[in-house]
Amino acid sequence: NAGVMQNPRHLVRRRGQEARLRCSPMKGHSHVYWYRQLPEEGLKFMVYLQKENIIDESGMPKERFSAEFPKEGPSILRIQQVVRGDSAAYFCASSSRTGGNEQYFGPGTRLTVT
Amino acid sequence: GENVEQHPSTLSVQEGDSAVIKCTYSDSASNYFPWYKQELGKGPQLIIDIRSNVGEKKDQRIAVTLNKTAKHFSLHITETQPEDSAVYFCAASERAGGTSYGKLTFGQGTILTVHP
Repeated sequence: NAGVMQNPRHLVRRRGQEARLRCSPMKGHSHVYWYRQLPEEGLKFMVYLQKENIIDESGMPKERFSAEFPKEGPSILRIQQVVRGDSAAYFCASSSRTGGNEQYFGPGTRLTVT
Repeated sequence: GENVEQHPSTLSVQEGDSAVIKCTYSDSASNYFPWYKQELGKGPQLIIDIRSNVGEKKDQRIAVTLNKTAKHFSLHITETQPEDSAVYFCAASERAGGTSYGKLTFGQGTILTVHP
């Protein structure tokens, strides 16, 4: 049973470019969460999505960041016009609708903005 | 919103000793408290969790206790081994709505080092 998958694992972008991070949840999971981890810091919630719906985006910066989880395909976290401060590890977690609702994390995408 | 404080930030123990990490939370609506282990370059791994209707939960060498009145919960690792060395995060969550749990609010992390 495959776990949460994220790609790419490492992404280098120049200032002003766009970054697209993908997350495929565990099989049978329909809820996706995105978290950001800055160097030497804990994880900060960004957004919580279900299929075709954004449930909670209270942690998303107001500008340049967007997320989606379409009916088909992976969830995408999109960062437009990246700046050096966007350099961080971005983690996706998934959970199922029923049961314990534990969140299982992927390996992360490490974004470096040069 | 929720605020989670975690202590200590670093913990160094000898192999075979016990390790205890403590967290406090602020929002009495929180009812789910997981613990994650993160190794270098990897994603957080869920190691144990506890819900607010339970005071203690054990899984082999690890246990978690919860005091709802005082709003604190702790991770206990017994008979520590070098492979337990990692960063440990506590977290708290409240319901987002319906039957689904919502976002996790994490503590700052504890770097645990187990010396052989």
